[in-house]
Amino acid sequence: EPEVTQTPSHQVTQMGQEVILRCVPISNHLYFYWYRQILGQKVEFLVSFYNNEISEKSEIFDDQFSVERPDGSNFTLKIRSTKLEDSAMYFCASGYPRATDTQYFGPGTRLTVL
Amino acid sequence: GNSVTQMEGPVTLSEEAFLTINCTYTATGYPSLFWYVQYPGEGLQLLLKATKADDKGSNKGFEATYRKETTSFHLEKGSVQVSDSAVYFCALATSGGSYIPTFGRGTSLIVHP
Repeated sequence: EPEVTQTPSHQVTQMGQEVILRCVPISNHLYFYWYRQILGQKVEFLVSFYNNEISEKSEIFDDQFSVERPDGSNFTLKIRSTKLEDSAMYFCASGYPRATDTQYFGPGTRLTVL
Repeated sequence: GNSVTQMEGPVTLSEEAFLTINCTYTATGYPSLFWYVQYPGEGLQLLLKATKADDKGSNKGFEATYRKETTSFHLEKGSVQVSDSAVYFCALATSGGSYIPTFGRGTSLIVHP
């Protein structure tokens, strides 16, 4: 069964550094999402992406964040200057064929900012 | 706005016990309701869903009924197994919210042999 994959599974970085989290959505999906889950907290929506542009974003998704689909398969989340409070699990998700109400989640990348 | 409230965990049960995890919601419009499960070290997996009032979602022995009158979507299973140990998230999505799910805080379930 097709699945969403994410790399790396764990990323450790120093405060102020840039990180790029990578996702490979399910191949025929058209909508892509990033969520984060701070330890012990609820899953929070960051951004959705469709047709090579951001379609929705939350208040969390400020100027330090950006997303890109650099080729036909990858979907990336960049955090330009990481802060301690960016430490969280980041989940990628994808959906097909439109803004369907079922999203398929990847296993997540645990980001630790020191 | 939309919100989801789940019972606090952890819920600790013995194998073969009956499980209920409560979930209530507030939403504008007519939401679809979901239960997601997160096994240790893994991502979120859709467990079941219901898209209109009185619908019952079911999967892997778990069930939840969409109760519009009580704005609830409680998760139940008649006989839990050790392998059901995970975190369970209730969520809702509405067309007005572009189907972006709003999640509850999650309820950890621990099943002992």
